[in-house]
Amino acid sequence: AQTVTQSQPEMSVQEAETVTLSCTYDTSENNYYLFWYKQPPSRQMILVIRQEAYKQQNATENRFSVNFQKAAKSFSLKISDSQLGDTAMYFCAFIPFSHSGGSNYKLTFGKGTLLTVNP
Amino acid sequence: DGGITQSPKYLFRKEGQNVTLSCEQNLNHDAMYWYRQDPGQGLRLIYYSQIVNDFQKGDIAEGYSVSREKKESFPLTVTSAQKNPTAFYLCASSIEPTGDYGYTFGSGTRLTVV
Repeated sequence: AQTVTQSQPEMSVQEAETVTLSCTYDTSENNYYLFWYKQPPSRQMILVIRQEAYKQQNATENRFSVNFQKAAKSFSLKISDSQLGDTAMYFCAFIPFSHSGGSNYKLTFGKGTLLTVNP
Repeated sequence: DGGITQSPKYLFRKEGQNVTLSCEQNLNHDAMYWYRQDPGQGLRLIYYSQIVNDFQKGDIAEGYSVSREKKESFPLTVTSAQKNPTAFYLCASSIEPTGDYGYTFGSGTRLTVV
């Protein structure tokens, strides 16, 4: 079974500063996908960024980037130039690669990090 | 616009009642999922369906039931056997059962037992 651990239940950052959210995972799989989801106060889950484990290059989406360390099973999210609208719960998620999507191949989430951006 | 519609947004249930949460998608996605979200617990998988007329239990299926008679619809029934049903419920879908590109989520239903 896969597990995803987010060790920071809450974090805060000043507007315009940079913040990094941590995520580690445990798996015996070699190929998999990692995601960061954002859940603002509206509670709508929004996909922020996706990383393919077989790609060494870290994924980037505008102000959001990841630091993917496969050997360490670490997948941190960096938010640059933080904005008030970034205030949300952030979830790290993992899914193993599968040709058919069998019973073990489902998206597993960490418990989340509540990020508050202060003006 | 394509997306997932969950209804109702808020639902109140009396002890001993069954209630059904609706989830409809117009994304033409094959797979659909139900997650439960509790404070400090993250998201936990209740049921999932990879194809019409087929579904599988997730990690916390006890006290819940589902059906998948149409590709677009995946309703969740919270039965009286569910001991602690008060939670936020999220429905999701993926274009393929493998979920390689992540899931698209609905806006959720908040269920409260009164």
